[in-house]
Parts: sequence; structure tokens; C-alpha cells
Amino acid sequence: SYELTQPPSVSVSPGQTARITCSGDALPKQYAYWYQQKPGQAPVLVIYKDSERPSGIPERFSGSSSGTTVTLTISGVQAEDEADYYCQSADSSGTVVFGGGTKLTVL
Amino acid sequence: QVQLQQSGPGLVKPSQTLSLTCAISGDSVSSNSAAWNWIRQSPSRGLEWLGRTYYRSKWYNDYAVSVKSRITINPDTSKNQFSLQLNSVTPEDTAVYYCARGPGAVVVITESYFDYWGQGTLVTVSS
Repeated sequence: SYELTQPPSVSVSPGQTARITCSGDALPKQYAYWYQQKPGQAPVLVIYKDSERPSGIPERFSGSSSGTTVTLTISGVQAEDEADYYCQSADSSGTVVFGGGTKLTVL
Repeated sequence: QVQLQQSGPGLVKPSQTLSLTCAISGDSVSSNSAAWNWIRQSPSRGLEWLGRTYYRSKWYNDYAVSVKSRITINPDTSKNQFSLQLNSVTPEDTAVYYCARGPGAVVVITESYFDYWGQGTLVTVSS
């Protein structure tokens, strides 16, 4: 089955830039989406169609794509950004697929 | 503002049927520019999309291969809600279940994503 691979954890200091990657063979042909999830809460969409930001999401969140890897970048990380982040795409058989998640720690 | 409110039991016995409902406010289950999804999350399986229902002149359903033989998602237009039924559950079905809206008129699965989520329901499968 198709898999999206994320690093289990990323750590940054406040004010620095966090980059979270997601790799998958189909990503050159499929859009990627990113969600933020805080403990005990439902996921929140932060990036759609590789790089679009929904209304209400701070400008410090951005997305990019290069080959088989997509990247969520959080510029000027704040303490409130500490959360789990998940990428999402789809495989060629028509099934939505999520990455395993990355825990972002703000030191 | 779209809101999704989930309801249903938190404990289901093995081999029985898991049933959850998601009530929609701020949108319509019959919308031609949305799809209505169920997603679950567990430590062992992570986030797993289960399926969706949507209306485009008639009702359609798509289901994940992993649960296709056991799942039914139905709209209820009279109550503006949709439901999940998962049959023959086992302890592996223990998870937090979410309903979620997939926006847009395009229903190609490769462009599916989720902009509004329910609050989540922890369902435990145990005798």
C-alpha cells in the first residue's frame, strides 16, 4: 500500500524556522495537504493543494513541493505551534492517505 | 461557519456494529460542493480515511479498501446529517472517529481534503 513518510520529530527554538518533510512516490502527480493537531483536538487544515493557505491560518505557515517531497515550513515558530503535523495525499487507486505524523517541539 | 457535531456510543462489543452520526450546521449534506467523510485515528494505524458520501444529482459513496466489506455511510437529508456504520468490529477498530467535510464541487479523490472536522468520538471495542 502507498505510504507517506514523515520524520517522527522536529525540534526548533522559538523564532526559528521549522521544516517538516513528507515523502511519497506519487507526490509529483498528486496534491499534498497539511494538518496541525494539538492534544485532545481534531486536526486543523493549515495548507491545501501543496502551498495554499486557508483563511485564518497565519502567514508563517507555508508549503512547497519538489519531486517526491513536500515541505511544510513554519517561519518564526511560536510556542503555540507545538503540535503534531500530518501530511495527506492520495494514491492512484483512489484512497486518501495520511503520513505518520511529525511531533514539532518548541524548545 | 460550518460545525459538525458527532454522537454515538463509546463502547461497542466485538462482532457488533459501530454506529455514529454527524450533524451538520452551516452547510447541507445535499450540497453540490461538499463531500462528507469519516476518518479514524489510533496509535497503531494513525489517521485512516474510511469513506465518504456526496450528492451530485444523485448520491454517491466511496470507501477505503481496508473496510469496504464492512462499512456503510448514509446521508439523512431530513436531519441534515450523515452516519457511519461499521459491521463486525474487532478490538483493532478501537479508535477516535471523526467526521469531516471535504470542500469543493470536484470529487476526484486525489483532490480530497478536509476543512471542517467534528470533535471526535473515542470508540472502544471490548466485551
